[in-house]
Amino acid sequence: GQNIDQPTEMTATEGAIVQINCTYQTSGFNGLFWYQQHAGEAPTFLSYNVLDGLEEKGRFSSFLSRSKGYSYLLLKELQMKDSASYLCAVRALSSSGSARQLTFGSGTQLTVLP
Amino acid sequence: EPEVTQTPSHQVTQMGQEVILRCVPISNHLYFYWYRQILGQKVEFLVSFYNNEISEKSEIFDDQFSVERPDGSNFTLKIRSTKLEDSAMYFCASSEHRTDTQYFGPGTRLTVL
Repeated sequence: GQNIDQPTEMTATEGAIVQINCTYQTSGFNGLFWYQQHAGEAPTFLSYNVLDGLEEKGRFSSFLSRSKGYSYLLLKELQMKDSASYLCAVRALSSSGSARQLTFGSGTQLTVLP
Repeated sequence: EPEVTQTPSHQVTQMGQEVILRCVPISNHLYFYWYRQILGQKVEFLVSFYNNEISEKSEIFDDQFSVERPDGSNFTLKIRSTKLEDSAMYFCASSEHRTDTQYFGPGTRLTVL
């Protein structure tokens, strides 16, 4: 099976930088995704890592270490609209050899304060 | 920018009734998925679909559930006899290739009374 852990809640101030961590245990790892989800809305894709290292995309960056089973999402220049739940999701090869389904963590609720 | 669409946005039904949730994936995408999210809980995988057949399904996706691509654009999830515990947000997603990013629709909130 798979296990994904991320903090339940975080709070940060507008304009600051925040790092949301995610650790996972899985076999057949085939990629890690970060999604943003506002209350009552769909998950929106933010970033994807399959190799070790940092992927940068504007104010958002994501890092992956496969050997440590660890990823983080870095949000810079925080804005009020960044208040949302941030979901870490892992894709892994199934027993049939396919690699499609995503397994989600419980999400980290980020509150950005003025 | 192309997006996944879902209808209806909210469905209320009586326990034991059948419901059909509809999705229109992004037009050039080949892989389709259904996920659900019970209020306050994590997003859970239900089923993936490719080339007119189920590729993978989770333990949640039992005999009460079925999926279909009735024409070239729609992708549906049917729940034959709804239970109270089926109340959740149901998200459709699609991806262009097997290992591509999955893009989610806005969801259908299903309430079973």
